[in-house]
Amino acid sequence: DTAVSQTPKYLVTQMGNDKSIKCEQNLGHDTMYWYKQDSKKFLKIMFSYNNKELIINETVPNRFSPKSPDKAHLNLHINSLELGDSAVYFCASSQNEKLFFGSGTQLSVL
Amino acid sequence: GDSVTQMEGPVTLSEEAFLTINCTYTATGYPSLFWYVQYPGEGLQLLLKATKADDKGSNKGFEATYRKETTSFHLEKGSVQVSDSAVYFCALSKGGGSNYKLTFGKGTLLTVNP
Repeated sequence: DTAVSQTPKYLVTQMGNDKSIKCEQNLGHDTMYWYKQDSKKFLKIMFSYNNKELIINETVPNRFSPKSPDKAHLNLHINSLELGDSAVYFCASSQNEKLFFGSGTQLSVL
Repeated sequence: GDSVTQMEGPVTLSEEAFLTINCTYTATGYPSLFWYVQYPGEGLQLLLKATKADDKGSNKGFEATYRKETTSFHLEKGSVQVSDSAVYFCALSKGGGSNYKLTFGKGTLLTVNP
């Protein structure tokens, strides 16, 4: 019974394409996040949402558009994919100063 | 801005060796401090945390003490196992409620050989 689940686990696509990553949490948390982890394992926050409202947007290109249809879901849509977008994207939710992470989506842009 | 600096890896140890991974931070105010662990192919998991100066966080034999005077939160374990092989991230948090945000260090890869 996975707490934070994201799909797909792997995503291989061509430059210029548009793709989406979905995330769902069944923990009842109000706050959800997207983090990007590069090839050197550096982890950087991209967005946070609280109860469907955007709270943090860390100077991410506007090709990245998060959408939160309800507080249990936070999806990430990426337009016009570039080589530099290749990374592992992690969804997370939080409560009481603890983050719960999904298992990641490895995006490879060719 | 707030930042976390942790020792560069990779760190390679033999089983039962003593582990230290250094972590220092820069932040205004009084952040909470964390260690997260990422096993191969998985997301990060909270390992331990400390919320105020001189607090010691501990879990699974790992310990770290919040040292405000040296702005440090070094991770230690007395005897590592092969199963401890993972990437370890030091982090600090600022803000609360809907503004809660974690800032991570760059991660340290630990490999423990039998």
